[in-house]
Amino acid sequence: NAGVTQTPKFQVLKTGQSMTLQCAQDMNHEYMSWYRQDPGMGLRLIHYSVGAGITDQGEVPNGYNVSRSTTEDFPLRLLSAAPSQTSVYFCASSSLGTGSGTEAFFGQGTRLTVV
Amino acid sequence: AQSVTQPDIHITVSEGASLELRCNYSYGATPYLFWYVQSPGQGLQLLLKYFSGDTLVQGIKGFEAEFKRSQSSFNLRKPSVHWSDAAEYFCAVGLKGYQKVTFGTGTKLQVIP
Repeated sequence: NAGVTQTPKFQVLKTGQSMTLQCAQDMNHEYMSWYRQDPGMGLRLIHYSVGAGITDQGEVPNGYNVSRSTTEDFPLRLLSAAPSQTSVYFCASSSLGTGSGTEAFFGQGTRLTVV
Repeated sequence: AQSVTQPDIHITVSEGASLELRCNYSYGATPYLFWYVQSPGQGLQLLLKYFSGDTLVQGIKGFEAEFKRSQSSFNLRKPSVHWSDAAEYFCAVGLKGYQKVTFGTGTKLQVIP
């Protein structure tokens, strides 16, 4: 059981380049989300999805796109990287609902530097 | 919109001492509350959650938290801290279960011998 897998673990981009951060989960979770973590700011929600074909914006969506074509995958696209997007990115997945059996897992993170 | 405040940025405790990490939230409806732990360079691990029912919640690694609606608080406690508990701790509140979770800014815990 792999849980939530993020790739790559580290990435350096030049300003203006685009790239896709990959996230995959094997737990059949309906809900997936992307966060960025910056020092002193905790984690901030970028985008989320409640199922295949359904995505929505979080707190800081500008400069990022997402899609959810399958239950398992939720890639995050940086359209034109900027130094302000230097951060650690975390993908998370969870089951929907509020029953006692619900669970949530985070990936190990992608450390992105934009120069 | 929901929000979470963790008033302590850093806390230092001696090994074997008790620990309490503070968390206050702002949310209009019934909150779904969480505590996560993050070791350096790692992802986040769920310590415990409150969805409903008993306001004293037991979690992993000997942690517990108490939901106090009147104080809008969800403080994390541990009776005896171990050196391996040194990490950053995040309190969080969800819109509905794990959906649209908002995190606090975190508290870094240092454990001294």
